[in-house]
Amino acid sequence: DGGITQSPKYLFRKEGQNVTLSCEQNLNHDAMYWYRQDPGQGLRLIYYSQIVNDFQKGDIAEGYSVSREKKESFPLTVTSAQKNPTAFYLCASMRPGPGNQPQHFGDGTRLSIL
Amino acid sequence: KNEVEQSPQNLTAQEGEFITINCSYSVGISALHWLQQHPGGGIVSLFMLSSGKKKHGRLIATINIQEKHSSLHITASHPRDSAVYICAVLRGGNQFYFGTGTSLTVIP
Repeated sequence: DGGITQSPKYLFRKEGQNVTLSCEQNLNHDAMYWYRQDPGQGLRLIYYSQIVNDFQKGDIAEGYSVSREKKESFPLTVTSAQKNPTAFYLCASMRPGPGNQPQHFGDGTRLSIL
Repeated sequence: KNEVEQSPQNLTAQEGEFITINCSYSVGISALHWLQQHPGGGIVSLFMLSSGKKKHGRLIATINIQEKHSSLHITASHPRDSAVYICAVLRGGNQFYFGTGTSLTVIP
């Protein structure tokens, strides 16, 4: 079955440490997204990528970095510059093009600080 | 002010009740997406619509583009419908903006 796989499900970060969240999709979608979800707030866009080797900052990109070396993979690194990383992180993909297409989501990664 | 507003924030219903969740937005959009988030966090797409009405099983979604408003209805609600329902609007063809969600609890 096609879908989006995020790993790990739970992740703990120590002070000053960078951590990387994995997102892999086998839907052959061109566009991929990273969102952050905090209690009481809507999903907020961190980064998105519409094609391989290209990505754009979202509303809250500071303290995060991404890469898009392969169509199916869009890893997110939470750097030590992100002072409040505790949140639920969701990866999504979409097939842009004529006709509005829905986003497909992974099951998320919950990041906490040790 | 959030560009996408949902109401109510929390909703408790008895099994069998008809439920309505509302979404209003303040910007021009190309489509609106209704999503369901389960307690574990996973998100499932329910409807994507840009006009009129869509129906899938006990779920019905409507949108009024002129009034910038959409509703999600659940008929004959069931405890398994308990989840957070999220409205998202699509702008520019590739970016979504999300409401804060409506937490629904259906009591047996």
